[in-house]
Amino acid sequence: DGGITQSPKYLFRKEGQNVTLSCEQNLNHDAMYWYRQDPGQGLRLIYYSQIVNDFQKGDIAEGYSVSREKKESFPLTVTSAQKNPTAFYLCASSISLGGNTEAFFGQGTRLTVV
Amino acid sequence: AQSVAQPEDQVNVAEGNPLTVKCTYSVSGNPYLFWYVQYPNRGLQFLLKYITGDNLVKGSYGFEAEFNKSQTSFHLKKPSALVSDSALYFCAVRDLSGSARQLTFGSGTQLTVLP
Repeated sequence: DGGITQSPKYLFRKEGQNVTLSCEQNLNHDAMYWYRQDPGQGLRLIYYSQIVNDFQKGDIAEGYSVSREKKESFPLTVTSAQKNPTAFYLCASSISLGGNTEAFFGQGTRLTVV
Repeated sequence: AQSVAQPEDQVNVAEGNPLTVKCTYSVSGNPYLFWYVQYPNRGLQFLLKYITGDNLVKGSYGFEAEFNKSQTSFHLKKPSALVSDSALYFCAVRDLSGSARQLTFGSGTQLTVLP
């Protein structure tokens, strides 16, 4: 089955903890993205990667970090510097960055700070 | 800069009636336009896209969208709504000529189809 797998589906974080959200794709896509979704605000771009070992900050990168060591994987770390991390996080991929290609999304990870 | 507006947070329609979910966009050049649907606690599913050519684009599940360059709109439509169409709908844009090659999403419209 081709697609994007995000894990875990639900994640609870204590104040001051770093947590890492997993995103794996087997679509052979070059570009990958992380979005944050809050009620009534749509999707906001955190980070994106055009190719392995390259990534760029999106609109709300503060308090987050990523890596792209393999084409298939684009993990997101939510650090203790992120003051309001409770949200629904979506990973996506596309054949390339830009152009007319649509993005394919994972099923999301719901992060809650306790 | 590229942007998308979905002016309605909520749209209610009776089952069997036609539905429209509105989207307007702003880009400096020519746009690529997309519609996605999201069911509760799930990721987004691609519905359709406008690249070039025919202004009426047909997509999944009987949805279609009409590109109107003069009004900078890309409204999503369906001739006969189903209860199962109830979901959150997102419009997205990418500017062909802009430096930002990633998608920009609207804030979403919650569609409720009443039985």
